[in-house]
Amino acid sequence: KQEVTQIPAALSVPEGENLVLNCSFTDSAIYNLQWFRQDPGKGLTSLLLIQSSQREQTSGRLNASLDKSSGRSTLYIAASQPGDSATYLCAAIPNAGGTSYGKLTFGQGTILTVHP
Amino acid sequence: DAGVTQSPTHLIKTRGQQVTLRCSPKSGHDTVSWYQQALGQGPQFIFQYYEEEERQRGNFPDRFSGHQFPNYSSELNVNALLLGDSALYLCASRDRDRAYEQYFGPGTRLTVT
Repeated sequence: KQEVTQIPAALSVPEGENLVLNCSFTDSAIYNLQWFRQDPGKGLTSLLLIQSSQREQTSGRLNASLDKSSGRSTLYIAASQPGDSATYLCAAIPNAGGTSYGKLTFGQGTILTVHP
Repeated sequence: DAGVTQSPTHLIKTRGQQVTLRCSPKSGHDTVSWYQQALGQGPQFIFQYYEEEERQRGNFPDRFSGHQFPNYSSELNVNALLLGDSALYLCASRDRDRAYEQYFGPGTRLTVT
């Protein structure tokens, strides 16, 4: 059974800092690893998707890496801004062909607060 | 192109009642999944539908049931509501063969009193 853990549970940083959010998963037989952003009371917005054949993905100030062998992914946010304040969730997507295909297993999230 | 839509936005029910939540998938998508997100937790997979049948199910009791219609829209039904069913219910849609491109709706906030 896949389990996903995110560390830290909460993070508060001053504006401008670079920061790293961590995600670990127990079953390395994943298809993809996806990072989402969630604003309070809202749905999920996909930030970055890393396919199993990739090691990292970048979008603007965001960079996500994936190390399947160690069961870890990190989300790096450069030059953080108050508008980055949200909950960040990672989700593991299992391999095709298995009974869990298409089912996302989420971590509990990291609550990020960036203060001016 | 409309994304995933859900209705209603918010809902308040009393213990023991029944509730139906609705989801319309993104255009071109034929597979719908439902997730429950309790406050402060990550979303938990409830079940997945395609071809109008439940294909996968998470660890949820039979009080949770669903349906998918020929136009691929879906309903989530919860019977005999408990206080612990209070949560944000998220719907996600995708093309059946592209599990890595799941799009989430805004969610329905259910409060059970």
